[in-house]
Amino acid sequence: DGGITQSPKYLFRKEGQNVTLSCEQNLNHDAMYWYRQDPGQGLRLIYYSQIVNDFQKGDIAEGYSVSREKKESFPLTVTSAQKNPTAFYLCASMFGADRGDQPQHFGDGTRLSIL
Amino acid sequence: GQQLNQSPQSMFIQEGEDVSMNCTSSSIFNTWLWYKQDPGEGPVLLIALYKAGELTSNGRLTAQFGITRKDSFLNISASIPSDVGIYFCAGQRGAGGTSYGKLTFGQGTILTVHP
Repeated sequence: DGGITQSPKYLFRKEGQNVTLSCEQNLNHDAMYWYRQDPGQGLRLIYYSQIVNDFQKGDIAEGYSVSREKKESFPLTVTSAQKNPTAFYLCASMFGADRGDQPQHFGDGTRLSIL
Repeated sequence: GQQLNQSPQSMFIQEGEDVSMNCTSSSIFNTWLWYKQDPGEGPVLLIALYKAGELTSNGRLTAQFGITRKDSFLNISASIPSDVGIYFCAGQRGAGGTSYGKLTFGQGTILTVHP
């Protein structure tokens, strides 16, 4: 089945540690996005990539890093510089602008907690 | 970053009742999207609206794209227990430029349905 796969479902980070969240899609989507969700709040954009080997900062990029080496994959690294990393992280993807206006579709998320 | 104003924040209704929620923005969007999120899962797309004034239905759900392109509403008719969840509106920028596809989310409406 086509879809967006995030792994792991749950992740625990020790103080001072970097952790990487995986996002893979087999929908042939061009653009990929990472969001952070805190309780009682909407989703906030961390990073996004409209094409392979290119990405832009979103609204809350500090303490995070990404790469886009393959069209299918957009991993997010939560670095030790992110002082409040506990949150639900969501990955999304969509077709590029050449397809006209299209909606984003989401994976099932990764819940990150601090040990 | 900007967030949309979504209301109400929560609703407690009896099974069979109709539900209405809305979103407003100070900015214009090319696309309005409505998502439903169950606990621990990613948002699932319910309805996508692409034209100002557009009224679209999906089963018991009806949504409209405001004529000013700054607002949208979602109605759910004859609610059932499985409608329980968090509903998010999102405004999306149009094709062209580095902002293509960027979503701005409302804070969400928590819906509880009593049998």
